[in-house]
Amino acid sequence: QSALTQPASVSGSPGQSITISCTGSSSDIGGYNYVSWYQQYPGKAPRLIMYDVTNRASGVSDRFSGSKSGNTASLTITGLQSEDEADYFCCSYTSSPGYVFGSGTKVTVL
Amino acid sequence: QVQLVQSGAEVKKPGASVKLSCKTSGYPFTGSAIHWVRQVPGQGLEWMGWLNVKNGDTKYSQEFQDRFTFTRDTSASTAYMEVSSLRSEDTAVYYCAKKGVSGYVDYWGQGTLVTVSS
Repeated sequence: QSALTQPASVSGSPGQSITISCTGSSSDIGGYNYVSWYQQYPGKAPRLIMYDVTNRASGVSDRFSGSKSGNTASLTITGLQSEDEADYFCCSYTSSPGYVFGSGTKVTVL
Repeated sequence: QVQLVQSGAEVKKPGASVKLSCKTSGYPFTGSAIHWVRQVPGQGLEWMGWLNVKNGDTKYSQEFQDRFTFTRDTSASTAYMEVSSLRSEDTAVYYCAKKGVSGYVDYWGQGTLVTVSS
C-alpha cells in the first residue's frame, strides 16, 4: 500500500488560511469516511486533530476543519498561528483491510 | 486520563531481536485495539498493523508480516511488539497507539527509538 499523497510543504502568514490536501484512491479515501489527521511537532508523538473526515478531536481549535471530495481529503487551518507550525499527516482506512498514512506536510508560518 | 507509556530506547546489533512494551492506563484495556506505527527518523508515519487486545487477533500491513509480532498481557494492561532478525533499516521510532471508535488513533504512546547498528 503506497502512502497517500500530500504536498511536502505549505506555508502562510499569520491570520491567513491554508489547506492541506491528501490524495488517495477509491480503495481508501474515496471508499470510506474514515479519514483522520494528525499534528506532529519535532521530536514529539503525533496528536489526533480530526477524525471521520470532519470531526474535531477533543480540545482542538475550531480553526481546524476537514472535508473530502472523491479520492481527496483536505485539512483547512484558518487564522493561522505560529503554534500551527508542525508536520501534518492524513490517514485513511483501506480495503486491504488496514490503514495508510499520508506522506506528510510541513506547515510553515511565515 | 488515558496514557500509553512505552519502554525505553534500544540499541541492537543486526540479527538480534527486540521486544518493546506499551503499558496502558486510564481506560479498559480490552475495550480498544492497539495500533503500531513506525517512523523512520526524518520521514513519515507507516501503519504496521493492529492487535485486537480482547482476543489476541492481529492484522499486519504487508511490509510487516514476516519479522514483527504483536502480543499482549491483559493482566498487565500492556501490549508488546517483537521484531526479529533486526536490520539497519529497522532503525526507527515505534509508536503504540490506542484505536478510537471508528479505527482512528486517538491516543499515542511517546514512542520508542530502536537503533540497529553493528
